[in-house]
Amino acid sequence: DIQLTQSPSSLSASVGDRVTITCRASQSISRYLNWYQQKAGKAPKLLIYAASNLQSGVPSRFSGSGSGTDFTLTISSLQPEDFATYYCQQSYSPRTFGQGTKVEIK
Amino acid sequence: QVQLQQWGAGLLKPSETLSLTCAVSGGSFSGYFWIWIRQPPGKGLEWIGEITHSGSTRYTPSLKSRVTISIDTSKNQFSLNLSSVTAADTAVYYCARGDRYYGSGTNPPPSYMDVWDKGASVTVSS
Repeated sequence: DIQLTQSPSSLSASVGDRVTITCRASQSISRYLNWYQQKAGKAPKLLIYAASNLQSGVPSRFSGSGSGTDFTLTISSLQPEDFATYYCQQSYSPRTFGQGTKVEIK
Repeated sequence: QVQLQQWGAGLLKPSETLSLTCAVSGGSFSGYFWIWIRQPPGKGLEWIGEITHSGSTRYTPSLKSRVTISIDTSKNQFSLNLSSVTAADTAVYYCARGDRYYGSGTNPPPSYMDVWDKGASVTVSS
């Protein structure tokens, strides 16, 4: 299976901060990488698909980049509603998720 | 807009079979594929498997021997059966819709999970 490693596992940030989360794949997955946001007690929500495509209805402060083995999710200006856990997920082979990155209030 | 709603037993004993069904409403059932994911308490997400409208399935290797996903196109429903459950199968189970992005030009096209249900808690305990 392809392993996805997210870093950091957690971070503390303030409203207005620029936040970057990385996801590294154990082998090349081209651009077969998605990002999801999950708030406590809720189902995950798709943010970014195919590495850099913004899902309809998702604010433009979210962006994704990368290809091959290294990917990034960026929140340009953190808002109060963005405090959540973020997961990357690959669709190259049997699907797998990263372990998650929890974004907390500083 | 499309909505997914699942049902099934929420409490099982070890060795029993977990059975969940997810109904799709408010949108097209064909042209997509249908997915089961789970999340143990306090842990991350695990893809269990998926099924296409035509009935083709894929499963995660670690569960393949115990999992069956089926589809009933006449009812716009798909189901998950997981046999011989243990406490390790205790989790919130989600059903989701899978779609593909054809704009990338790659083959196969990248896929993603764009609609999820609210999830259902399943506990395995003696």
